[in-house]
Amino acid sequence: GAVVSQHPSRVICKSGTSVKIECRSLDFQATTMFWYRQFPKKSLMLMATSNEGSKATYEQGVEKDKFLINHASLTLSTLTVTSAHPEDSSFYICSASGLAGGPSSLGEQFFGPGTRLTVL
Amino acid sequence: QQPVQSPQAVILREGEDAVINCSSSKALYSVHWYRQKHGEAPVFLMILLKGGEQKGHEKISASFNEKKQQSSLYLTASQLSYSGTYFCGTVNSGGSNYKLTFGKGTLLTVNP
Repeated sequence: GAVVSQHPSRVICKSGTSVKIECRSLDFQATTMFWYRQFPKKSLMLMATSNEGSKATYEQGVEKDKFLINHASLTLSTLTVTSAHPEDSSFYICSASGLAGGPSSLGEQFFGPGTRLTVL
Repeated sequence: QQPVQSPQAVILREGEDAVINCSSSKALYSVHWYRQKHGEAPVFLMILLKGGEQKGHEKISASFNEKKQQSSLYLTASQLSYSGTYFCGTVNSGGSNYKLTFGKGTLLTVNP
């Protein structure tokens, strides 16, 4: 159990366009979803934490107007990279953490497969 | 604050053992261990809560020393499939129960 999907897996876009990435928890309800960014051979850097039905909490240095996060339901969160530029190229990974008593009751995070964004 | 992992990299022959350490300068509520293979998402291995517990998953186990703010991951009789980058993620005491701060990772290579 505890499967998280992410779509798309890869996206290539032109500079200035916006890209939306979806993260879904397939077999459990995720009260909290996290968005990370990972550069090659580097660690995962938390960008923001989103709770269902409320505004996302962004980490210091992350532009909330550039990285729009929506957590509309207990199974879906979206990250929109607005007006993307080459420096936004990266591997974006979401994770989900669930309700007490479920597969993620101790705060375990289950990760999606990631989205590789390339901005030309 | 980012936990410190050591070593940065380790190379093993199949069947050998390894220990990966994770330490924090802050009081910890829990430590999470993940393994990531190249180009893939991290896979959850185990979580340890404060209380000095030790956990095991097949030939992979871990300990958590709350007083020392340290955790260690033990891989015994390593298999080729154990290759990957291991990350510890820590949750600070008094902080959000679900916000993880990851270490820089330890690259483990298991050769035949």
